[in-house]
Parts: sequence; C-alpha cells; structure tokens
Amino acid sequence: DTAVSQTPKYLVTQMGNDKSIKCEQNLGHDTMYWYKQDSKKFLKIMFSYNNKELIINETVPNRFSPKSPDKAHLNLHINSLELGDSAVYFCASSQGGGHSPLHFGNGTRLTVT
Amino acid sequence: GENVEQHPSTLSVQEGDSAVIKCTYSDSASNYFPWYKQELGKRPQLIIDIRSNVGEKKDQRIAVTLNKTAKHFSLHITETQPEDSAVYFCAASGVGQGAQKLVFGQGTRLTINP
Repeated sequence: DTAVSQTPKYLVTQMGNDKSIKCEQNLGHDTMYWYKQDSKKFLKIMFSYNNKELIINETVPNRFSPKSPDKAHLNLHINSLELGDSAVYFCASSQGGGHSPLHFGNGTRLTVT
Repeated sequence: GENVEQHPSTLSVQEGDSAVIKCTYSDSASNYFPWYKQELGKRPQLIIDIRSNVGEKKDQRIAVTLNKTAKHFSLHITETQPEDSAVYFCAASGVGQGAQKLVFGQGTRLTINP
C-alpha cells in the first residue's frame, strides 16, 4: 500500500486552464503539505494543513488553492495556469507538528504549454 | 526566515571512497535537521535526521554532524556504492504551529564512479 498517494502522476495542460491534483495519506498523520520542486530541483514549501486547518501559507499566488476535506486528504487546485507553474508538485505528510519525518508522495509532474 | 545553503552542488567520488556534503543555516532557533535522498524520477526519502541536542548521529555507512555554534551540519557517507548515486537534500526546521516548516538546501547531485 502506498502511504502517500497523489494523482495524477503526469499532467499536461495549456496556459489558462484550471487543474487539480489530489493527495491522500493512509498513515494516520495529522499534518499534510504541498511542496513544489522546480527544474533546478529546488524544493519549496507551499502550504501545510494540520487536521484540516491551514497552518503554513507561503507567498504562493492566490491562483493556488489547497483544500483539505479531512485530515487524510489535501488537494491542490490551480486556476489560470501559467508557463512558470510547470514543476513537480509533491504532497507530504508527517505526524503532528513536531520533528517527525516527512513522507512524500511520488509527485505530479505538471507541464504547462 | 530560515535560509539553508548547501554545497557542493555536484560531487563525484570513486566507489569505496567517502563523500561529504555540507550545509549552513541562518536561524539559530532551528532545531531539527533531516537529510533526504532523491533518486532520479522518484520522491525524496529521509535517510537520517538529527536534533539540536545531539552533536553526531550514525546509521551504518551514514553519519551526520551538527555544530550549533557555527550553524552548520554535514552528511558523511563512507564506503560509497553505486546505489548511493542520487540528489541529497539537507533541511532545517524550527518549532512550528502544528506543522514543521522545513527549509531545504539546493541539493547535491552525488555520482559514484565504479
């Protein structure tokens, strides 16, 4: 069983479209995250939710809207996609807010043409 | 906010030799320092972590050292093997508000030459 699963694995779309990425974790963790990895492999946090509550919201354009229907799910919706949004998006989870390891999903490679 | 610098950006070593990757951080309040390994096309995976109340931690061929005064920490891999080839990321985190805000270094691409 995959602990943190995200779909789709690949997403190719045109500029201006709206798309969503879904994430689910079966580890029973309280906290979930979205990270963006750009073409230079740099990993940067975007959002974090703790038990469905938004905790971390980095300076991300408001075209990006996370939604957490329950603590096992954290989805990411992106409006009006731009070329610069092309990246690999990783969902992750951890137990609580303490110093416990992040468990990453397999990533979604988004390509905007 | 926290800033993590990692170097070198690329590192090539002969199989069996040791590899060392170094990171510095800016926020003296950071107290958790994990290291992640990312193989090509795969997700980052935790390989070792250290908390600020410890100066060194070892797990088989991997060790991490932390110097809180100088605000730097290092990853040491001994007896390197081809399967150690990957991108390695250091990270630093302080106490969060129900979530940890891990700030990652820029990554080091490690290549082990047979």
